[in-house]
Amino acid sequence: DAGVIQSPRHEVTEMGQEVTLRCKPISGHNSLFWYRQTMMRGLELLIYFNNNVPIDDSGMPEDRFSAKMPNASFSTLKIQPSEPRDSAVYFCASSLSRGSSYNEQFFGPGTRLTVL
Amino acid sequence: AQSVSQHNHHVILSEAASLELGCNYSYGGTVNLFWYVQYPGQHLQLLLKYFSGDPLVKGIKGFEAEFIKSKFSFNLRKPSVQWSDTAEYFCAVNAASNYQLIWGAGTKLIIKP
Repeated sequence: DAGVIQSPRHEVTEMGQEVTLRCKPISGHNSLFWYRQTMMRGLELLIYFNNNVPIDDSGMPEDRFSAKMPNASFSTLKIQPSEPRDSAVYFCASSLSRGSSYNEQFFGPGTRLTVL
Repeated sequence: AQSVSQHNHHVILSEAASLELGCNYSYGGTVNLFWYVQYPGQHLQLLLKYFSGDPLVKGIKGFEAEFIKSKFSFNLRKPSVQWSDTAEYFCAVNAASNYQLIWGAGTKLIIKP
């Protein structure tokens, strides 16, 4: 099992540029989460998908952030335009949920984003 | 609102010392409980979990945790730590019928060789 795959692992960009982060969840998992981790704010849930449908995007900071999950094996998180305060590590996690039962989340290696 | 408290933000121990990291949560219903570890520069990995059954849960790398429902606690323990246990440890809780994990702020553990 390859685990959760994220790309790129590191991204350095300039303010105002568009950034796209990618995630491939574990095969067979039906829940996908995007998190952001910073020293100041810790781990924050940005958005949660279940069966490819966004269920909770209340953690998305603002309209500059958008996320999609076009199929069960791929998700993107886009920031447009990026700002220095978006610098963080972005993690994708997946899990298998059955009905109202939720299992542990498996995390990807993260994308370290630096916006200059 | 649900919350998770990890009382110690930083812990420094010598090798072979015993470890206990505290975790308390606020939620009155059925919960699932987790401890994750994040080694320097790496992603979060599951150490152990509690869903039901024996409240004493054994995880990987010699870690264990005890769920005490009356105290709303899920403390992490290891009898003898190693330098390689240097990492940040996160407690997380979810209501058993809720997808959302509520995370503690994390405890940075430094083991002196």
